[in-house]
Amino acid sequence: DAGVTQSPTHLIKTRGQQVTLRCSPKSGHDTVSWYQQALGQGPQFIFQYYEEEERQRGNFPDRFSGHQFPNYSSELNVNALLLGDSALYLCASSWPPGTSEPGELFFGEGSRLTVL
Amino acid sequence: RKEVEQDPGPFNVPEGATVAFNCTYSNSASQSFFWYRQDCRKEPKLLMSVYSSGNEDGRFTAQLNRASQYISLLIRDSKLSDSATYLCVNYGGSQGNLIFGKGTKLSVKP
Repeated sequence: DAGVTQSPTHLIKTRGQQVTLRCSPKSGHDTVSWYQQALGQGPQFIFQYYEEEERQRGNFPDRFSGHQFPNYSSELNVNALLLGDSALYLCASSWPPGTSEPGELFFGEGSRLTVL
Repeated sequence: RKEVEQDPGPFNVPEGATVAFNCTYSNSASQSFFWYRQDCRKEPKLLMSVYSSGNEDGRFTAQLNRASQYISLLIRDSKLSDSATYLCVNYGGSQGNLIFGKGTKLSVKP
């Protein structure tokens, strides 16, 4: 049973460029959340997708957008990249709301983005 | 004031030691708390939930003090494999929305 998978694992971009990160949730999970983890910090919630809609959003600008597909996989898009966007981007999946421990997320290994 | 605050450490302890981490939270209405473990350059993984009555899982004990708004994690008989960053987490109110502290780094030495 595959866990949460993310791609690419590492990438380098320059300021002003755009990036798309991809995530496939753990089998049976239909909710996907995205987190940004800067060096030395804890993960910060970006947004959550359920039933192909953005359900909750953290304190991130509109440059951060996402999508969820019918097969529950998800993309995170970041436009107009800034140096400060350099971070590990983590995707997490979970069981449908109300069917499991609310704090139990399964994380992928992340996509490490460097913006030069 | 940050929603979840932790002592970043590092905590350097010998094998077999007992070590305790504390974490404070600002939202007095918060109901659910967790400890996650993150190995170097790896993803976070749920270690244990924190219940009002406290809970224990082998060498790990988690406690919640609502009056003082802090959470603790106690690790007894530390192993080399316990070396990691321990993240204090508050449930943000909806599935998938967790509020993480910065993490406390633990290094267990032989």
